[in-house]
Amino acid sequence: DAGVIQSPRHEVTEMGQEVTLRCKPISGHNSLFWYRQTMMRGLELLIYFNNNVPIDDSGMPEDRFSAKMPNASFSTLKIQPSEPRDSAVYFCASNQKARPQAGELFFGEGSRLTVL
Amino acid sequence: AQSVTQLGSHVSVSEGALVLLRCNYSSSVPPYLFWYVQYPNQGLQLLLKYTTGATLVKGINGFEAEFKKSETSFHLTKPSAHMSDAAEYFCAVSGTGGTSYGKLTFGQGTILTVHP
Repeated sequence: DAGVIQSPRHEVTEMGQEVTLRCKPISGHNSLFWYRQTMMRGLELLIYFNNNVPIDDSGMPEDRFSAKMPNASFSTLKIQPSEPRDSAVYFCASNQKARPQAGELFFGEGSRLTVL
Repeated sequence: AQSVTQLGSHVSVSEGALVLLRCNYSSSVPPYLFWYVQYPNQGLQLLLKYTTGATLVKGINGFEAEFKKSETSFHLTKPSAHMSDAAEYFCAVSGTGGTSYGKLTFGQGTILTVHP
């Protein structure tokens, strides 16, 4: 079975440019999460969706970040304009929000973003 | 609010030695607890989880963890380390109700090094 698929795997861009990261969750999973990983801050939850609806976006750093989930099989995380401090690995994860699977996240391989 | 503290950002053991990675949590509700492993340039994979029932849980690759409510701990152990265990390990806590349900809070991670 295909796991969580993220693209691009690597992105190098210049400050001020728009960045769009994409995620395809596992079929049948109804929750999707975007995490950011840095050396300084570890793993941070940015936003999560349940049944395509954003439930908690309190981790989104600022207005430059936005996330959408237009359907059950696709989500995007957009940064506009990007800044060097946005450099990180961005992970998408999905799961079935039902006991006892809650918390049993399936992660993609991540998108490594470098903003110059 | 929930939080996780992993004691020791780096742990080094010899091949064949006991592995002990420490995790303490804080949660205002009965928690679900997880250990995830991350190999270089990959996403996180679930090692094991505690939800309810038996407090000693066994996971993949010979790892196990014990939930101790009185100590608010969920330490990860493996009797005999293997070179392939070298990775970063994350402890995580999930709420069991409301908007925290299914939402993971991760510790800072512990890098495990295994020496020949």
